[in-house]
Amino acid sequence: KAGVTQTPRYLIKTRGQQVTLSCSPISGHRSVSWYQQTPGQGLQFLFEYFSETQRNKGNFPGRFSGRQFSNSRSEMNVSTLELGDSALYLCASSSTGGYTGELFFGEGSRLTVL
Amino acid sequence: ELKVEQNPLFLSMQEGKNYTIYCNYSTTSDRLYWYRQDPGKSLESLFVLLSNGAVKQEGRLMASLDTKARLSTLHITAAVHDLSATYFCAVDSRTGNQFYFGTGTSLTVIP
Repeated sequence: KAGVTQTPRYLIKTRGQQVTLSCSPISGHRSVSWYQQTPGQGLQFLFEYFSETQRNKGNFPGRFSGRQFSNSRSEMNVSTLELGDSALYLCASSSTGGYTGELFFGEGSRLTVL
Repeated sequence: ELKVEQNPLFLSMQEGKNYTIYCNYSTTSDRLYWYRQDPGKSLESLFVLLSNGAVKQEGRLMASLDTKARLSTLHITAAVHDLSATYFCAVDSRTGNQFYFGTGTSLTVIP
């Protein structure tokens, strides 16, 4: 069974640009959530989607957005990049819609903003 | 906001020794998760603890949950070098799959 797939794995952008990251969940999983990992702030929840609807959003500015498609694949977008957005962005999928869900994480997309 | 604290943050231990990592959280929850992360890698699920008193063991690792004390422990028995990694505990928010992660414990096992 294929795991969670994230693309791209690495990318470099400059301040002011925007970036789109993609996540394909485990087949059959309908919940996709996104986390930002930095050395200073640790792992922080960005948002979660279930059946194309955003159910939860973390404490991040509106520059961070996401969406989920009918096949459960998800994208997140960061506009007007800032240096502080440099991080590992992790996508996780879960099979359940409730809060029983064990999260399965992808390898992450490592974003560097110059 | 739910807060999750782990200690210690850094742990250096000799092979063959035992040690415990502690995870405290700030609000009622009966679901706690432990993950392992190797450098530059993603998070690997280790244990899912779903009720008070839950205990799970896998190899040299054993995790337990005390929901009344809001405390989980990850006990390492007879450490080996392969256990060197960063370990995170996480608590879910009960609103969908929003997890709150601890700060992580960076474990180094020295031969």
